[in-house]
Amino acid sequence: SQQGEEDPQALSIQEGENATMNCSYKTSINNLQWYRQNSGRGLVHLILIRSNEREKHSGRLRVTLDTSKKSSSLLITASRAADTASYFCATDAPGNTPLVFGKGTRLSVIA
Amino acid sequence: GAGVSQSPSNKVTEKGKDVELRCDPISGHTALYWYRQSLGQGLEFLIYFQGNSAPDKSGLPSDRFSAERTGGSVSTLTIQRTQQEDSAVYLCASSFDGESKAFFGQGTRLTVV
Repeated sequence: SQQGEEDPQALSIQEGENATMNCSYKTSINNLQWYRQNSGRGLVHLILIRSNEREKHSGRLRVTLDTSKKSSSLLITASRAADTASYFCATDAPGNTPLVFGKGTRLSVIA
Repeated sequence: GAGVSQSPSNKVTEKGKDVELRCDPISGHTALYWYRQSLGQGLEFLIYFQGNSAPDKSGLPSDRFSAERTGGSVSTLTIQRTQQEDSAVYLCASSFDGESKAFFGQGTRLTVV
């Protein structure tokens, strides 16, 4: 299975601190994506990084990808209470394959 | 519509009944995904439609589950003879070409009593 695995499962930090979440996967990928979920309903896309990219930024988000280690990290800088949510990585493999998600990291940012 | 629409938002059904969950993807999106999420858990892949290709049904947990996508647009996930372990939130997503970001609906919360 190409399913990603995030760690840690849960993370609690103070507002203003940085939060780092990691994702590992098992097979070759086309892209790796990060999503956010509030309140157990629909997910919102945060950022997509292609297999030939190593780092990408979007606002307070920084994503890295190491295809040799089959791993990615999501860094949220200067966290806010509103960043409290679950964060999931998702990968798709070459060919006509579905987007497969990991189990997620539950982030709590304490004001 | 502007986003992915799922209906109903909530469904309570008796054990043994059949249910149909509907997903209306973003117009023009060729890829459509169904996932299941139990409370506090990750997303379990169920089925994937991409264009005119045969659907990837590898995630369907049993033959009680089936899905179809008519005319490359609306999709219906059907669960026959529902069991209590089918209780979960069922999420649908679509993307432009299967390699782009996915847009999610708000899900259908299914409760089997």
